[in-house]
Amino acid sequence: SAVISQKPSRDICQRGTSLTIQCQVDSQVTMMFWYRQQPGQSLTLIATANQGSEATYESGFVIDKFPISRPNLTFSTLTVSNMSPEDSSIYLCSVPGGRTEAFFGQGTRLTVV
Amino acid sequence: QKEVEQNSGPLSVPEGAIASLNCTYSDRGSQSFFWYRQYSGKSPELIMFIYSNGDKEDGRFTAQLNKASQYVSLLIRDSQPSDSATYLCAVLSSNQFYFGTGTSLTVIP
Repeated sequence: SAVISQKPSRDICQRGTSLTIQCQVDSQVTMMFWYRQQPGQSLTLIATANQGSEATYESGFVIDKFPISRPNLTFSTLTVSNMSPEDSSIYLCSVPGGRTEAFFGQGTRLTVV
Repeated sequence: QKEVEQNSGPLSVPEGAIASLNCTYSDRGSQSFFWYRQYSGKSPELIMFIYSNGDKEDGRFTAQLNKASQYVSLLIRDSQPSDSATYLCAVLSSNQFYFGTGTSLTVIP
């Protein structure tokens, strides 16, 4: 199994500012995933963070809004840029566990005011 | 477009009853199927996974998979109030997880 440490656990931010979320994994993993979970909704994949290359973004998400870093095989950051109240959500990082499951960080609850 | 569909509920069952949660998926090439439980304000946690057609039992939980019908379900026997949560169906396809919208379950004492 993998243990993921994600921080901050929550934050309240002013619109127009940016927040960087960090995820640290206790083992080396090739891929890390960033999800958003809006209130009452399921998980929506934002992007796949690959070490050594640019992140792969899903439809509806762009690098300028959600820049991602992946400096090594155990760490990644997601930045939510130029925030608006619509960005209020839970953001989760995840790593695959082979065929058996996906492991999730504790989540970051973001409120934009 | 790969889709995973769940009845959003809410589903309410009395304590001790069987809760039945259902999920359908669109991609016939999907390889593995998962049920996650998510308490309010918490991250999802794995309950069951299944690869092969048929039933898989783990304690009070049984996962059922029918690939021909593209259908996966989760049965919770002897439901407890602590089972009250949102249950997410997830499908692994092309090395990527696709999640359903979740079914909210309430077990009434």
